[in-house]
Amino acid sequence: QKEVEQNSGPLSVPEGAIASLNCTYSDRVSQSFFWYRQYSGKSPELIMSIYSNGDKEDGRFTAQLNKASQYVSLLIRDSQPSDSATYLCAVYTDNNAGNMLTFGGGTRLMVKP
Amino acid sequence: SAVISQKPSRDICQRGTSLTIQCQVDSQVTMMFWYRQQPGQSLTLIATANQGSEATYESGFVIDKFPISRPNLTFSTLTVSNMSPEDSSIYLCSVSTPGGQETQYFGPGTRLLVL
Repeated sequence: QKEVEQNSGPLSVPEGAIASLNCTYSDRVSQSFFWYRQYSGKSPELIMSIYSNGDKEDGRFTAQLNKASQYVSLLIRDSQPSDSATYLCAVYTDNNAGNMLTFGGGTRLMVKP
Repeated sequence: SAVISQKPSRDICQRGTSLTIQCQVDSQVTMMFWYRQQPGQSLTLIATANQGSEATYESGFVIDKFPISRPNLTFSTLTVSNMSPEDSSIYLCSVSTPGGQETQYFGPGTRLLVL
């Protein structure tokens, strides 16, 4: 069974700090990795995707992937109160058993002014 | 990314009744998916809505309880049948665009409360 694990939090950081969100996954053949942001009462919004080992930067967001360690992370630089939300890690796997996007339980981030 | 709308945005229903949720996309998409998000939980895939064929259901979900239609490449419906309070949840439609099967974008969701 494919599993995606995240610390539920809450992760509390002061405004302007770097927030580090982590995710591990169980299926070694997983190919694609995504971070979604979900504000309370809203639907998930895609913020980052990463497919190969290393770092991928987009504005204040950096996704990091290490397939050998089956680990993906999201760094948010210069955190703002508006970044307070639940961040969902999602992992896509396509193999003989089929293909599926599996979500982690989410990490709640609180950025304090 | 595609613009996705869902109707209704929320509803309060009596147990034993059924509710049909609509998902409309502003462009043709390959894949449409239906998820459930129970309070305080993450997303659970109910089924993949296939155009022109029956939906593919995940373990724990059955067609009699969650019938799905996909009449064309821009529209799908999910019916929650014979509802009980345990069906109270947010139901989300998502789509993946041609060539990007694994990247999914979500509609605004339908908040369902069953009394």
